[in-house]
Amino acid sequence: GESVGLHLPTLSVQEGDNSIINCAYSNSASDYFIWYKQESGKGPQFIIDIRSNMDKRQGQRVTVLLNKTVKHLSLQIAATQPGDSAVYFCAEKDRGAQKLVFGQGTRLTINP
Amino acid sequence: ETGVTQTPRHLVMGMTNKKSLKCEQHLGHNAMYWYKQSAKKPLELMFVYNFKEQTENNSVPSRFSPECPNSSHLFLHLHTLQPEDSALYLCASSPKGSGEETQYFGPGTRLLVL
Repeated sequence: GESVGLHLPTLSVQEGDNSIINCAYSNSASDYFIWYKQESGKGPQFIIDIRSNMDKRQGQRVTVLLNKTVKHLSLQIAATQPGDSAVYFCAEKDRGAQKLVFGQGTRLTINP
Repeated sequence: ETGVTQTPRHLVMGMTNKKSLKCEQHLGHNAMYWYKQSAKKPLELMFVYNFKEQTENNSVPSRFSPECPNSSHLFLHLHTLQPEDSALYLCASSPKGSGEETQYFGPGTRLLVL
């Protein structure tokens, strides 16, 4: 029979364009945030993280923005490539806690 | 390669079987985690071990039994599982106590319970 999977938000972009993936969080006590990329058949791979005392952090082709006022986190990927196709997860950590709480993920598809 | 390995990568088992999943990290970390990733739910934390001691059990049924003999190895013993336990089981590690909080994941074990 047909299996019912988790309905993931999907973002489709043209190769070479910039991508922005958004994540909302609810815990105002969260002090650490992280983005993971998960390709098919693989485990989540660390992309970039940010602490709550910052509002922006840049890596190679990626930028994370944190807006604590509205509890919003975004991942910007510059000049997307076919290899960027994956599911992207945000995760947050409460101050003083150890465990990460994950969002449901966004599937990014790159069109040629 | 993240420095976290998991075996087996795929496992099919019947509901009366007993099997074990293995995780090994080569990063010198001292915290290890088991997560469950199913098609119907977001990534769920199952267990946390710090310096070989279990510090968190996220209301996991007793048919899942973790074991952490040392800071580099983590096992998940499975017995009398149900079909709804079919999922991707992910292991992760992090350097607890160092101030760095990034968790590094292994490739996972894809489990199918028949």
